[in-house]
Amino acid sequence: AQSVTQLGSHVSVSEGALVLLRCNYSSSVPPYLFWYVQYPNQGLQLLLKYTSAATLVKGINGFEAEFKKSETSFHLTKPSAHMSDAAEYFCAVRAETSGSRLTFGEGTQLTVNP
Amino acid sequence: KAGVTQTPRYLIKTRGQQVTLSCSPISGHRSVSWYQQTPGQGLQFLFEYFSETQRNKGNFPGRFSGRQFSNSRSEMNVSTLELGDSALYLCASSLGPTSAYEQYFGPGTRLTVT
Repeated sequence: AQSVTQLGSHVSVSEGALVLLRCNYSSSVPPYLFWYVQYPNQGLQLLLKYTSAATLVKGINGFEAEFKKSETSFHLTKPSAHMSDAAEYFCAVRAETSGSRLTFGEGTQLTVNP
Repeated sequence: KAGVTQTPRYLIKTRGQQVTLSCSPISGHRSVSWYQQTPGQGLQFLFEYFSETQRNKGNFPGRFSGRQFSNSRSEMNVSTLELGDSALYLCASSLGPTSAYEQYFGPGTRLTVT
């Protein structure tokens, strides 16, 4: 079975500051890992995914994440926050044996202050 | 290419009624998954369909059911609605049912049960 834990349900940063959203996973088999973003009243948009090709994954909108097997982590970062980054972010895991089924973390609400 | 579409976007029902939600996947996508999103439980997997067959099912009561048509469009049905069924129901499509494929989410259907 796999699971995901997102540390911090709310994160607040200033515009231009580093964004760091934390995600730790648990999986009995090599996982696929994802970060999704959800804006108010919208569905989920894929930011990036890890599929074992490279440990540092670059996504859309300047986001990137690093897979660290020793720490079972997949933290999401962005060097400089924009106001438009304010949204809820979800980390998700999928095992090779689970088909398309995604297991999501609890979500982190990102606030960007001017 | 058009994205995943879900209809209706908003729905208000009364306890005890039943409801049917519809999802049209991205053209060429043959796998459809459904998720329920609530403030208390977060994002939870309902079921996955591929080639008109249910391939995977989450831990939901039998009141929740679904089907997929030959054109890959999918519907989910909830019978005997309860207040706790109030949620955002998200549909996601992918090329196939394996874990290698990315999932693309629709905007969701907001169901309110009164």
